[in-house]
Amino acid sequence: EVQQLESGGGLVQPGGSLRLSCATSGFTFSNYAMTWVRQGPGKGLEWVSIISRSGDTTYYADAVKGRFTISRDNSKNTLFLQMNSLRVEDTAVYYCAKGTFNVGLGYYMDVWGKGTTVTVSS
Amino acid sequence: DIQMTQSPSSLSPSIGDRVTITCRASQNIGRFLNWYQQKPGKAPNLLIYTASVLQSGVPSRFSGSGSGTDFTLSIRSLQPEDVATYYCQQSYSTPMYTFGQGTKLEI
Repeated sequence: EVQQLESGGGLVQPGGSLRLSCATSGFTFSNYAMTWVRQGPGKGLEWVSIISRSGDTTYYADAVKGRFTISRDNSKNTLFLQMNSLRVEDTAVYYCAKGTFNVGLGYYMDVWGKGTTVTVSS
Repeated sequence: DIQMTQSPSSLSPSIGDRVTITCRASQNIGRFLNWYQQKPGKAPNLLIYTASVLQSGVPSRFSGSGSGTDFTLSIRSLQPEDVATYYCQQSYSTPMYTFGQGTKLEI
């Protein structure tokens, strides 16, 4: 069974840091790009960051560029999101999602974790 | 950046109704459009990818259509378990895979 479990969320003050983890199982982790998506309270889904299968290519939404760093450990089937200089507006549930890419079919996220909650507040 | 606009923002159909949700892209995205369902308090779930391909395990009452800038998600005969918020997402503009704002379905 394919599973993904996020952890590392919590309450942090503005300007603080958190490191999220996403432990995966049930599929060959190194064969798939991985994505972080977040959802603020009462808001819609927001794409945050993506990392290639090998980890050598990363992209970020403008809202987090320069503050967040996505990484992965393929030997441990785990995805990470290092979040620095956190702002109140970063408060959200953070989901990790497995991405499938096929030429002609595009990129879609077919497995999601349950999410971890990050609250930035003083 | 490509903007995705869904309509309506919410709707309240009856059980058994046919429901249609529209998603419009700010530029031509071919057929690179995905639909997700998010039930209250749960993570999103992939319903349809590449505009019309039903994800494995998704009931056949769900269908998708469209290309270019205009897309639709249809639910043939609404069931109580379909209460959810539905999001479209474009995968044309790599890697800024923007979502629509969501359509909340309440029965």
